[in-house]
Amino acid sequence: SSELTQDPAVSVALGQTVRITCQGDSLRSYYASWYQQKPGQAPVLVIYGKNNRPSGIPDRFSGSSSGNTASLTITGAQAEDEADYYCNSRDSSGNRVVFGGGTKLTVL
Amino acid sequence: EVQLVESGGVVVQPGGSLRLSCAASGFTFDDYTMHWVRQAPGKGLEWVSLISWDGGSTYYADSVKGRFTISRDNSKNSLYLQMNSLRTEDTALYYCAKGLAAAGTGGVWFDPWGQGTLVTVSS
Repeated sequence: SSELTQDPAVSVALGQTVRITCQGDSLRSYYASWYQQKPGQAPVLVIYGKNNRPSGIPDRFSGSSSGNTASLTITGAQAEDEADYYCNSRDSSGNRVVFGGGTKLTVL
Repeated sequence: EVQLVESGGVVVQPGGSLRLSCAASGFTFDDYTMHWVRQAPGKGLEWVSLISWDGGSTYYADSVKGRFTISRDNSKNSLYLQMNSLRTEDTALYYCAKGLAAAGTGGVWFDPWGQGTLVTVSS
């Protein structure tokens, strides 16, 4: 079982804002990172650290954290944002890595 | 361009062994910790293992500890995963990924990922 918990599925209307959450005890000590995965493709990093976007990631993607919960927010969701989203962080020991179970985002 | 290319995935019988490889290019390979992550068909991502820049530190998920061994050859810009005593539940697409981390509370992240190599464990 994963040490990071995500909702299995979330939906959002086109152009609206959606928040995807990730919960786990290790998030009290470490920031989460977020990945987008579309069918048949490798995951792509979208947010890392406190709230950093790699080059090429639209600024509608943002990250935040509070207590044991990390959040990925998409402000003004687009059709191309429909994908699976995964969080990850260090585990409680700090030496290994854990992933959340993933959230399937549907853009209506 | 930073690139990671995995190879070595095949169909293997339960109890068998396999060695995966990952060829890296476009960055200074021996500056970075490297990781293996897998994804079973239709399932989520599962972290498998990491190796430090010099190979001096390795860590494994409990599900593979004692059966898998991660290694690297910095002279060849290559990462490896030796997989022994394979089980049907090891069937997955195996990705290698370049690891980055921040000191303190910065966490760890993977960028980029390879396209993966498929390992099927079946009789």
